Amino acid sequence: AQSVTQPDIHITVSEGASLELRCNYSYGATPYLFWYVQSPGQGLQLLLKYFSGDTLVQGIKGFEAEFKRSQSSFNLRKPSVHWSDAAEYFCAVGLGSSASKIIFGSGTRLSIRP
Amino acid sequence: EADIYQTPRYLVIGTGKKITLECSQTMGHDKMYWYQQDPGMELHLIHYSYGVNSTEKGDLSSESTVSRIRTEHFPLTLESARPSHTSQYLCASSERPRRGSGELFFGEGSRLTVL
Repeated sequence: AQSVTQPDIHITVSEGASLELRCNYSYGATPYLFWYVQSPGQGLQLLLKYFSGDTLVQGIKGFEAEFKRSQSSFNLRKPSVHWSDAAEYFCAVGLGSSASKIIFGSGTRLSIRP
Repeated sequence: EADIYQTPRYLVIGTGKKITLECSQTMGHDKMYWYQQDPGMELHLIHYSYGVNSTEKGDLSSESTVSRIRTEHFPLTLESARPSHTSQYLCASSERPRRGSGELFFGEGSRLTVL
């Protein structure tokens, strides 16, 4: 079955510390991969995406993600978090030749310790 | 700036009523989606469409139905609303990844409360 797993429900890191949010998928082929962020009461904003090519992708707000085919993973990283990064982060995968079906993981809530 | 619109933004209705949530986009996107999301929770795909006259059910079982008669319009209908349908419904659209960014553009959501 197709699925997206974000194993960490809630993560708290100190401001200025590094961050890694995990995402694993289950699918018979390489899907299109996305990370979105949702601040409280706000809509979803695309942070970055991977379709093909370089497996390390850069996104907005200083985020990056690395696709590892052997691990079916697409983990999100940031070297130094800011208090404004506190939000809900969703990994998503696009399935099919044109990513017609896009499903989301359950999300990871990021809190920042002052 | 994304141009995708949902109406109504808020709706409170009684059990058994029929409702239609409207979603329109002016970007000419092939693909459109309906997600259900409770506050602070995950997004569940309930319906999607990859073009006119194509609709598919998502992974979350839903009693709602959708139609895609025009590219820009993707309404969702509940024939008989129940309290279990209380939630926020998000409409989104996207282009094919190789033609566009593949990014989902979301409407502002329709928050439904069934009493």
